[in-house]
Amino acid sequence: RKEVEQDPGPFNVPEGATVAFNCTYSNSASQSFFWYRQDCRKEPKLLMSVYSSGNEDGRFTAQLNRASQYISLLIRDSKLSDSATYLCTIGTSYGKLTFGQGTILTVHP
Amino acid sequence: DTGVSQDPRHKITKRGQNVTFRCDPISEHNRLYWYRQTLGQGPEFLTYFQNEAQLEKSRLLSDRFSAERPKGSFSTLEIQRTEQGDSAMYLCASRKQDSYEQYFGPGTRLTVT
Repeated sequence: RKEVEQDPGPFNVPEGATVAFNCTYSNSASQSFFWYRQDCRKEPKLLMSVYSSGNEDGRFTAQLNRASQYISLLIRDSKLSDSATYLCTIGTSYGKLTFGQGTILTVHP
Repeated sequence: DTGVSQDPRHKITKRGQNVTFRCDPISEHNRLYWYRQTLGQGPEFLTYFQNEAQLEKSRLLSDRFSAERPKGSFSTLEIQRTEQGDSAMYLCASRKQDSYEQYFGPGTRLTVT
């Protein structure tokens, strides 16, 4: 079983749609949780950290459920520029990051 | 621009040659990580430095791979006797001691022919 599992998609949605990505992780000792965004042939860029209390940054909302070992990302009012691969990511106490395979999102006009 | 730089950005080499990549982290970041990413996969952890000390190495890092961070600033990753399976994007990331958030450089894309 992979340490971090996410649906690879692709998700194809129209502009303005709401889309949700889910992710599960297996290491209950994981310390930190993130969503990274990666454009084609570019490096991953930190989108947001994820906390148990849930956090929101504009159109993006992330949620962590430690009991179920489940992380989610909700994107509201999708823009063309949101098209990218979204990487569910967990971290250990010393900072090693483990990434999911990535979920491909394409937003079309 | 996150401030992490990597050099070169692209490297094409023949099988059996040695290659070396450099990473310059964000200046106040004392922790530095190397990852490798192949097509269609997320990045995979290779190794980690806290200042100049290499504290963790993945099983992915065979004895052909060596990494250094001699003065606790920039780091190098060397691959000896390259194989076609080494073709990948090699990513460097850094973070501050009191934060879990890592910031990535643009990567070095290695192609072994």
